[in-house]
Amino acid sequence: GQQLNQSPQSMFIQEGEDVSMNCTSSSIFNTWLWYKQDPGEGPVLLIALYKAGELTSNGRLTAQFGITRKDSFLNISASIPSDVGIYFCAGQPNAGNNRKLIWGLGTSLAVNP
Amino acid sequence: DTAVSQTPKYLVTQMGNDKSIKCEQNLGHDTMYWYKQDSKKFLKIMFSYNNKELIINETVPNRFSPKSPDKAHLNLHINSLELGDSAVYFCASSQEVAGNTQYFGPGTRLTVL
Repeated sequence: GQQLNQSPQSMFIQEGEDVSMNCTSSSIFNTWLWYKQDPGEGPVLLIALYKAGELTSNGRLTAQFGITRKDSFLNISASIPSDVGIYFCAGQPNAGNNRKLIWGLGTSLAVNP
Repeated sequence: DTAVSQTPKYLVTQMGNDKSIKCEQNLGHDTMYWYKQDSKKFLKIMFSYNNKELIINETVPNRFSPKSPDKAHLNLHINSLELGDSAVYFCASSQEVAGNTQYFGPGTRLTVL
């Protein structure tokens, strides 16, 4: 099935560092979403983006919906140990009755205290 | 109160057996989903139901049969389990049919021996 290109695949950083990850697609999306999955849990929505160019923050997290509608990035500032987990981007296509979410392969983040 | 709950949390069984996983959501959502997360953490949608009606049915072996007795419940029955069925299965729900804000359950880790 269709997938998003999400990078990097994994990151290992020191506490306090800033983190950036992104997702790209060959097709246009109507919506971009960023989810976080803690170890042993299900994914939880962090940020939802609905308009091209939109920049949205949630605490130390900032995400942007690319102007071309084919990409999005997520930044985490001043990382802390509880930021550990897998971050997934997901996009929703522009049309069709069955507009299921298309998921990236995830970015695994490890934070060294 | 748990929004989306799944039972069991862990399921270990022999090849060839039949097993069921149950899911319930108390959010009043109309749409529920089943996802499979493999060892590489890729999230793959399997099924989606809206108000007890099947709306998404990805290319899943017909050994997998979802059942929705009411819109708050979506169960997954698996016949003749195979080694490749080992994965974490997540139930999710959303308010709308093409809902992008999906709420996930804690997952069921299925191990087939």
